Amino acid sequence: QVQVQQWGAGLLKPSETLSLSCGGQDGSFSGSSWNWVRQSPGQGLEWIGEINDRGITIYNPSLKSRVIISRDRSRKRISLSLASVTAADTAVYFCARLLAPMAPQNMDVWGKGTTVIVSS
Amino acid sequence: QSVLTQPPSVSAAPGQRVAISCSGHTLNIQYHFVSWYQVLPGKAPKLIMFDNDVRPSGIPDRFSGSTSGTSVNLDITGLQTGDEGDYFCATWHSGLSAVVFGGGTKLTVL
Repeated sequence: QVQVQQWGAGLLKPSETLSLSCGGQDGSFSGSSWNWVRQSPGQGLEWIGEINDRGITIYNPSLKSRVIISRDRSRKRISLSLASVTAADTAVYFCARLLAPMAPQNMDVWGKGTTVIVSS
Repeated sequence: QSVLTQPPSVSAAPGQRVAISCSGHTLNIQYHFVSWYQVLPGKAPKLIMFDNDVRPSGIPDRFSGSTSGTSVNLDITGLQTGDEGDYFCATWHSGLSAVVFGGGTKLTVL
């Protein structure tokens, strides 16, 4: 079973940059594609973007101008950066592994989630 | 408003069956498979169906998927109280170049 840890700052002020990371020791981490997904309080799920095993990224057009997803192969870690946050970015953020390439809607391993609150 | 439409809620008694529909523009459903996620209170989403009707390892056969026209359905039989939670469908939307989720369906086991 792939073990995934998530970490990052949980309380931000408006206009700051959200920075979260997701990592694991399992060997499959490096060879997989990963998504970031968020769920706002009482709301549904929203896909943020994907990074594949070669480091190529795809972002949700609605967030594209503020998002950067990156990966550090040596540390088996992927990271999410979301700039200029507002209260609307308050959510639980998840990293999730793609079951297979080319089907980003299929995510079989999820982190436990990181709660991020944006408040002045 | 979500690109994929789900009923806001469904309910049934323990042991009974429910069906949750996920309907979308033909551009989504016909060309890209749908997956289903179970979100239990306080937990991360869990993949319970992919490629419309394929169960991941470990998912009981009480859960099944099917398609009908421009809709994909999730059937749950032999309902248990532990099934209570939210269920989301998801697919790749070529026009938006994004993964899109349905609005979610809250399942209540009475």
